Amino acid sequence: AQSVTQPDARVTVSEGASLQLRCKYSYSATPYLFWYVQYPRQGLQLLLKYYSGDPVVQGVNSFEAEFSKSNSSFHLQKASVHWSDSAVYFCALSSAGNKLTFGIGTRVLVRP
Amino acid sequence: ETAVFQTPNYHVTQVGNEVSFNCKQTLGHDTMYWYKQDSKKLLKIMFSYNNKQLIVNETVPRRFSPQSSDKAHLNLRIKSVEPEDSAVYLCASRRLGGSYEQYFGPGTRLTVL
Repeated sequence: AQSVTQPDARVTVSEGASLQLRCKYSYSATPYLFWYVQYPRQGLQLLLKYYSGDPVVQGVNSFEAEFSKSNSSFHLQKASVHWSDSAVYFCALSSAGNKLTFGIGTRVLVRP
Repeated sequence: ETAVFQTPNYHVTQVGNEVSFNCKQTLGHDTMYWYKQDSKKLLKIMFSYNNKQLIVNETVPRRFSPQSSDKAHLNLRIKSVEPEDSAVYLCASRRLGGSYEQYFGPGTRLTVL
């Protein structure tokens, strides 16, 4: 069975500060990993993805994530957040490309 | 514009009614999905469908059924809604055999009174 754990339900940061969102996964094989963002009243938008190769992947809007096989983690980071980054962020895992298994999401609030 | 489109945006109905939601993708993808997002933002797969195979999550009640006319459309019908069906229903698609990311529509918010 596969699972995704996002240990932080809510994160509050000040505008301009750095942000790290944690994601741990459980899967027996090499996973396909994603980060999605959901703005209020909208669907999910893909931020970035990891399949193989360089463990640091760049995404849209200056987000990046680092894959660690030894830690079973795929943490998301941004060096300097903007108020518009306030949203819910989901880590997801795909097994053999079919369904996505999501974490519970981390709600990010950026204070001005 | 290429994207995943869903209608309606919102729907309010009474217990026991039948509802149907539409999803269309213009991305040229082969596989489509329905997800349910509850009030706590938890996302669960309901169905995945390509033109050859329907995979149903075993936890989905039988009153839910997907309906597809072609690979660009996957609608969702709920035969007799229950209060616990109140949620946001998200449609997604991906290209079979391509990269594994899925692209999502804006969702349909269902409220059952």
